[in-house]
Amino acid sequence: KQEVTQIPAALSVPEGENLVLNCSFTDSAIYNLQWFRQDPGKGLTSLLLIQSSQREQTSGRLNASLDKSSGRSTLYIAASQPGDSATYLCAAINQAGTALIFGKGTTLSVSS
Amino acid sequence: NAGVTQTPKFQVLKTGQSMTLQCAQDMNHNSMYWYRQDPGMGLRLIYYSASEGTTDKGEVPNGYNVSRLNKREFSLRLESAAPSQTSVYFCASSEARSGGRTSTDTQYFGPGTRLTVL
Repeated sequence: KQEVTQIPAALSVPEGENLVLNCSFTDSAIYNLQWFRQDPGKGLTSLLLIQSSQREQTSGRLNASLDKSSGRSTLYIAASQPGDSATYLCAAINQAGTALIFGKGTTLSVSS
Repeated sequence: NAGVTQTPKFQVLKTGQSMTLQCAQDMNHNSMYWYRQDPGMGLRLIYYSASEGTTDKGEVPNGYNVSRLNKREFSLRLESAAPSQTSVYFCASSEARSGGRTSTDTQYFGPGTRLTVL
């Protein structure tokens, strides 16, 4: 059974810092791995999707990497801003599954 | 293009009452999903529909039923609500007909329904 773990559960940084959020998964047979953002009281917004054949994806200040062999993904946020404050969730679809398996998220707070 | 919409946004029920959560998407997606989100548990899949006319159980289906009314709409029904069903419910959709088992299939989420069962 696929399990997804995110560390740390919470992170506070000053504005302008670069930071890394970590995600690990137990079953390396995944189709893709996705990173989402969730603002308080809101739904999920897809940030990046990394296909199983890819090693990384970039969108603006965000860069996500995938290492299937070690069962890890990272989300790198460059030059953090207060508007980046949110909960970040990673999720994996494995080849035996039918939908996303989510981690519990990392809640990021960026202070100005 | 509204994406994924859910109604209602908030609902309070008494134990034993029934209700249906509605979800619709206007992206012509084949697959639709219902998740619940609980503190400390993360998001968990309740049911999904890989294509119009099909539905399958997810991780936590007990106490729920679903209907894929047409390609746009996927409803979630609580027949006899229990306090353990207090949660935030999210509907999602994706393009792939295979229910997510493709490498490029991104899921799009609705804003959620906050349900409290007293």
